[in-house]
Amino acid sequence: GQNIDQPTEMTATEGAIVQINCTYQTSGFNGLFWYQQHAGEAPTFLSYNVLDGLEEKGRFSSFLSRSKGYSYLLLKELQMKDSASYLCAVRDPPEKGANNLFFGTGTRLTVIP
Amino acid sequence: EPEVTQTPSHQVTQMGQEVILRCVPISNHLYFYWYRQILGQKVEFLVSFYNNEISEKSEIFDDQFSVERPDGSNFTLKIRSTKLEDSAMYFCASRAGGSGNTIYFGEGSWLTVV
Repeated sequence: GQNIDQPTEMTATEGAIVQINCTYQTSGFNGLFWYQQHAGEAPTFLSYNVLDGLEEKGRFSSFLSRSKGYSYLLLKELQMKDSASYLCAVRDPPEKGANNLFFGTGTRLTVIP
Repeated sequence: EPEVTQTPSHQVTQMGQEVILRCVPISNHLYFYWYRQILGQKVEFLVSFYNNEISEKSEIFDDQFSVERPDGSNFTLKIRSTKLEDSAMYFCASRAGGSGNTIYFGEGSWLTVV
């Protein structure tokens, strides 16, 4: 089975840094993805980790510890447009064929002035 | 940039009616997916499709659901007899071959069953 946990909501100030945590317990693992989803829109890909460590991509960074079943998404220099839900998703291992993604409930981030 | 496109963007249907949601995946992609998201809830996996057959399906994807790739570009989700609880946003997604590739989502089809 797949169990992926994230905080439901977070609030942060424009210009600040925010860290969104994700813990997972899954029957298989082939990478962890972070997606951004604005209300009523599609999830859009932000980052991907398959090995332990930090992946940096502009204002966004994502960290993975496979032994702890833990990841975080770090957003720097927050902008108002970063207000959205951030979805943590774990991918099935290759032997399962299509490498499906299984999502957490998402963290709704509100950026305030 | 290539994208997954879906139609309709919004459909209202009466309970018990059949609905077909259509998707055009990214052209060189080989794996296709349907996910759904009930309002305020998480994105849930429904079904994956590869090489003209279902690769995996979830418990949600019961006998009322079917998928088809009728030609080289379209990928459809059919709900035979809709129920109120089928009201959700349905996302089509696709990815290229190879296990390392990202899944890209369409804009979604919002289905309201009344």
